[in-house]
Amino acid sequence: SELTQDPAVSVALGQTVRITCQGHSLSSYYASWCQQKPGQAPILVIYGNTNRPSGIPDRFSGSRLGNTASLTITGAQAEDEAVYYCNSRDNNGDYWVFGGGTKLTVL
Amino acid sequence: QVQLVQSGAEVKKPGASVKVSCKTSGYTFTNYYMHWVRQAPGQGLEWMGAINPLGGSASYAQKFQGRLTLTRDTSTTTVHMDLSSLRSDDTAVYYCARDDTLVQGATGSLDSWGQGTLVTVSS
Repeated sequence: SELTQDPAVSVALGQTVRITCQGHSLSSYYASWCQQKPGQAPILVIYGNTNRPSGIPDRFSGSRLGNTASLTITGAQAEDEAVYYCNSRDNNGDYWVFGGGTKLTVL
Repeated sequence: QVQLVQSGAEVKKPGASVKVSCKTSGYTFTNYYMHWVRQAPGQGLEWMGAINPLGGSASYAQKFQGRLTLTRDTSTTTVHMDLSSLRSDDTAVYYCARDDTLVQGATGSLDSWGQGTLVTVSS
């Protein structure tokens, strides 16, 4: 994949966790993040690197520095346990690509 | 509200073709690209291609060139995905996902997803 994510991350309930996504294209194109729970379709949680769609709790935030995009959950809740995927364009901007996904466990 | 409702599960034999539909409602159909993304069992998301519902032009991931065809029907606001020459590793859940780039600009993303359609390829 042209976007690289850590396979798994864990966080204690109520603590803060950062999930990262690295890729050359991220210095040129915006990143978005989606959340997928088992047996469900993905839902968008961050778009345009830093924007939160309506209905997404404000504990979710996004940032980008260079070729790394990050999703931060401040005060993680049990219901945040899911797989998170970053998404952007490929290096040439012709196609879309997904990161491999990060499985978040809330302890 | 925005709704993307996909057709039901399919079981196909190797070498066959499958057509999955995505019926849309709740928004202006021609203002939003539609993408298709698949997910093999226990695996991550894989982008397949996208179609512009206004003119019908489509782009495909290189992996699917020659096997994948995306079409749309503006009269029924439905997008179709045809995948041919099926193999066992095409077994996956297939999603349609709306792209709001034409509205949002460069910050556009896949903002709404269908419920997914399981396609099983087995002899």
